[in-house]
Amino acid sequence: KAGVTQTPRYLIKTRGQQVTLSCSPISGHRSVSWYQQTPGQGLQFLFEYFSETQRNKGNFPGRFSGRQFSNSRSEMNVSTLELGDSALYLCASSWAGLAATGELFFGEGSRLTVL
Amino acid sequence: ELKVEQNPLFLSMQEGKNYTIYCNYSTTSDRLYWYRQDPGKSLESLFVLLSNGAVKQEGRLMASLDTKARLSTLHITAAVHDLSATYFCAVDIRQGAQKLVFGQGTRLTINP
Repeated sequence: KAGVTQTPRYLIKTRGQQVTLSCSPISGHRSVSWYQQTPGQGLQFLFEYFSETQRNKGNFPGRFSGRQFSNSRSEMNVSTLELGDSALYLCASSWAGLAATGELFFGEGSRLTVL
Repeated sequence: ELKVEQNPLFLSMQEGKNYTIYCNYSTTSDRLYWYRQDPGKSLESLFVLLSNGAVKQEGRLMASLDTKARLSTLHITAAVHDLSATYFCAVDIRQGAQKLVFGQGTRLTINP
């Protein structure tokens, strides 16, 4: 069974640019969440999508956005990049069915460096 | 606002010893998760604890949950070098919300 796939794995951008990250969840999983991991702030929740709808959102500025497609694949976008956006962006999928445990399965992450 | 605190944040121990990592959280929740992260890698799910008194064991690791005390523990028995990693606990902010609040992580180093 394939795991959560994130692309690209590594990318370098400059301040002011924008970036789009992609996530393909485990087959059958309808919930996709995004987390940002930095040495200073740790792991922080960005947002969660279920059936193409954003259900939850963390405390990040509007420059961070996302969407989910009908096949459950998700993208997140960061516009007007700042140095502080350098981080590992982790996507996680979960089943989210009636008997769901809430367990998240994480992808390998996309490591973004902003210069 | 839910806060999740782990201690210790750094732990260096000898192989063969036992130790416990603690995870305290500030508001009611009965869903707690433990994850492992190796350097440069993603998070690997270790345990899912869904009720008060839940205890799960896998190899040398055992996790427990006390929802009344808002405390979870991850106990390491007879540590081996392969268990060196960073361990995170995470709490579901509300049931089914799929929104986890993570602790700071405990960086565990096991020396031969």
